[in-house]
Amino acid sequence: KAGVTQTPRYLIKTRGQQVTLSCSPISGHRSVSWYQQTPGQGLQFLFEYFSETQRNKGNFPGRFSGRQFSNSRSEMNVSTLELGDSALYLCASSLASASTQYFGPGTRLLVL
Amino acid sequence: DQQVKQNSPSLSVQEGRISILNCDYTNSMFDYFLWYKKYPAEGPTFLISISSIKDKNEDGRFTVFLNKSAKHLSLHIVPSQPGDSAVYFCAARGRRDDKIIFGKGTRLHILP
Repeated sequence: KAGVTQTPRYLIKTRGQQVTLSCSPISGHRSVSWYQQTPGQGLQFLFEYFSETQRNKGNFPGRFSGRQFSNSRSEMNVSTLELGDSALYLCASSLASASTQYFGPGTRLLVL
Repeated sequence: DQQVKQNSPSLSVQEGRISILNCDYTNSMFDYFLWYKKYPAEGPTFLISISSIKDKNEDGRFTVFLNKSAKHLSLHIVPSQPGDSAVYFCAARGRRDDKIIFGKGTRLHILP
């Protein structure tokens, strides 16, 4: 069974731009969660989608948004990028909401 | 407010000895705890979990202990091997459909 895939793996953007990251969960998994990892901050929860509905949301500004499609694939969008948005963005899928999660390799975003 | 705390940013252990990684939490509503391991340039991988109705769970070289009264859990790795060098994240979940909260991680170095 294929694991969680994320595209692109690396991305360089400039301040003010927007970016869309994609995540394909493990086949059969209906829950997708997104996390931001920065040095010294661990994994900070962004949001979780289950069956195309946002189930939980972390403490991030409205510039961070996401969606999930009927095939469970998910996208995350960050608008008006700031230097502090430079981070590793991780996607995790699970069979059900908040059950054991399986992570993708992440997308490393650099904002210049 | 950090609800899941890993107070040791790093830990060095001799190969063959026991590695003990610690984690404290503040929310008494957490009922499920997990440990993840992360290598550089990869997403975290699930290691072991424990429900709040147990105080110990063992899987091969990995054992997780939970002390609910102290709001403390620990991961024991015996014996430690070079491949165990990684960042370890402690995580916790409240009610069944709640989001999973991660600690900031502890970097484990296994010394030859």
